[in-house]
Amino acid sequence: EAQVTQNPRYLITVTGKKLTVTCSQNMNHEYMSWYRQDPGLGLRQIYYSMNVEVTDKGDVPEGYKVSRKEKRNFPLILESPSPNQTSLYFCASSPTGETQYFGPGTRLLVL
Amino acid sequence: AQSVTQPDIHITVSEGASLELRCNYSYGATPYLFWYVQSPGQGLQLLLKYFSGDTLVQGIKGFEAEFKRSQSSFNLRKPSVHWSDAAEYFCAVGTGTASKLTFGTGTRLQVTL
Repeated sequence: EAQVTQNPRYLITVTGKKLTVTCSQNMNHEYMSWYRQDPGLGLRQIYYSMNVEVTDKGDVPEGYKVSRKEKRNFPLILESPSPNQTSLYFCASSPTGETQYFGPGTRLLVL
Repeated sequence: AQSVTQPDIHITVSEGASLELRCNYSYGATPYLFWYVQSPGQGLQLLLKYFSGDTLVQGIKGFEAEFKRSQSSFNLRKPSVHWSDAAEYFCAVGTGTASKLTFGTGTRLQVTL
């Protein structure tokens, strides 16, 4: 089944404790992105990747890192999480850069 | 930079009634336009998209949307709403490059029986 998977789905952590949210797609898509969703703000892009080893900032990249060492994986790294990073995070992949297919989301709470 | 406005935060309709959700965009060139739906606790599902050609596009679940360049709009419609359509709906504009989508803030649809 073609899908985008994210792990974990739910995460509670404390300020400053490094964490990684994994994202994997099995559709051989070139493009992958990370978004965060906050009430009243819709979804905002954090980072995107156009191919292996090619990444760039989206609209809200501060406090996040990404890497794309393999085509299928695009982990999101929070080196020192803060409470304002409490959010719902979505990974997405796309074959061409337009239509995107979203993962199920990761709900993060930073205390 | 592109932007999307969904002027209605919350809409309530009766089951069987027609539905129109509004979306206005701002983008200098011809946009790629999308409607996504998010059911409670779920991810986003693509309803339909417009890239070019016929300005009336059909999507899944009986939804359609019409691109009106003169009004910078891409409104979503459904002739008869079902209770299962209750969800949050997001309009998005893509630039066609860099896999970048800009989303509106969403419209929450409530369906009364």
